[in-house]
Amino acid sequence: QLQLQESGPGLVKLSETLSLTCTVSGGPISSSSYYWGWIRQPPGKGLEWIGSINYVGATYHSTYYNPSLKSRVTISADTSRNHFSLRLSSVTAADTAVYYCARLVVAAPDNWGQGTLVTVSS
Amino acid sequence: AIQLTQSPSSLSASVGDRVTITCRASQGISSALAWYQQTPGKPPRLLIYDASTLESGVPSRFSGSGSGTDFTLTISSLQPEDFAIYHCQQFDSYPITFGQGTRLEIK
Repeated sequence: QLQLQESGPGLVKLSETLSLTCTVSGGPISSSSYYWGWIRQPPGKGLEWIGSINYVGATYHSTYYNPSLKSRVTISADTSRNHFSLRLSSVTAADTAVYYCARLVVAAPDNWGQGTLVTVSS
Repeated sequence: AIQLTQSPSSLSASVGDRVTITCRASQGISSALAWYQQTPGKPPRLLIYDASTLESGVPSRFSGSGSGTDFTLTISSLQPEDFAIYHCQQFDSYPITFGQGTRLEIK
């Protein structure tokens, strides 16, 4: 059974970089059949896709980012550890949200982590 | 980016009712639409993909329809566990986008 688990600091200071890792168990992230991505949800608000990564072959991967965040976002993956990561730089209060990692079939998330709340503080 | 507009934003209904939620896309997305259910403190759960295909394990009282720009999610007979927030999502083109959500409450 596929499981995804987010980890990382729950508190990030204004203007610093948010870093989260999603550890996947129950299946390899190197499978070209799936994409792996990050989605966030500010408190009481809707869902926002941040970006996704997909492996095509053993080592080559593609990344896709939301244009609204692209200048600040990097998604990377470590197939040896079967995890992928999110870095979001220059955070502001607007980046306070629950961050979910997910497996996507094409571009529809079908398995989600439990989510982790990240608060940006001054 | 393709915008998705859900209606209504909130809805009150009773156990046993039939409920329909609509999702309209700002441009045609073929059948590249998914529906999710989210309860408080939990991640979204995939209910339907490709506009009308029921995800494995999802009760048959849930159904989806539509193509192009107009889509619906129908719950044929509401159960107590169905009171939640429902989100639509398009995966026709990047960036992936979601509707603003519909809150389904108990009347």
